[in-house]
Amino acid sequence: GAGVSQSPRYKVAKRGQDVALRCDPISGHVSLFWYQQALGQGPEFLTYFQNEAQLDKSGLPSDRFFAERPEGSVSTLKIQRTQQEDSAVYLCASSSNRPYEQYFGPGTRLTVT
Amino acid sequence: AQSVSQHNHHVILSEAASLELGCNYSYGGTVNLFWYVQYPGQHLQLLLKYFSGDPLVKGIKGFEAEFIKSKFSFNLRKPSVQWSDTAEYFCAVIPSGAGSYQLTFGKGTKLSVIP
Repeated sequence: GAGVSQSPRYKVAKRGQDVALRCDPISGHVSLFWYQQALGQGPEFLTYFQNEAQLDKSGLPSDRFFAERPEGSVSTLKIQRTQQEDSAVYLCASSSNRPYEQYFGPGTRLTVT
Repeated sequence: AQSVSQHNHHVILSEAASLELGCNYSYGGTVNLFWYVQYPGQHLQLLLKYFSGDPLVKGIKGFEAEFIKSKFSFNLRKPSVQWSDTAEYFCAVIPSGAGSYQLTFGKGTKLSVIP
């Protein structure tokens, strides 16, 4: 079956621009996660949704980061007024009712110039 | 909060050599442990996982890992590597129990296998 998909795969933004990153989870998966992976690092947790409810946003690095999942399926991670330190790969993962087993998408590589 | 350390940043092996990648975690309670692999140009894939029971876990492609609770370790092993095992390997942990969902990853170990 189809896995987690993310778009765009690559995004170049000028500093100060807003960006929106999309995640399509595996159909039927209630849990959705966003992670940020900086160069040479492991992924770091950003936020967690169960259906449409955002249950944890403790990993979002600043109030410029905002995530939503209004209908409990597709999710969007928005970054306002991008900064160079936002350059990273943004990973989306989804799971069924067992959050331990997370399936990852290919990621969006964001480069802020 | 939990943390994960992976001892080697980059490992280079010849084909047929044996592999052991180190992983140690820091957390006071019981945990669920994972190894993920990322092949060049591909997304993160689950290699194997430990939840409970037999501490020796077998995964895909001949990989195995052993959970040693007293050492807080979950090292990944393979007796004979192949060129196709060239990838980056990440160890990760989630505390056990209801309400736990946040994967904490190590920094990864890049494995290069020379034909």
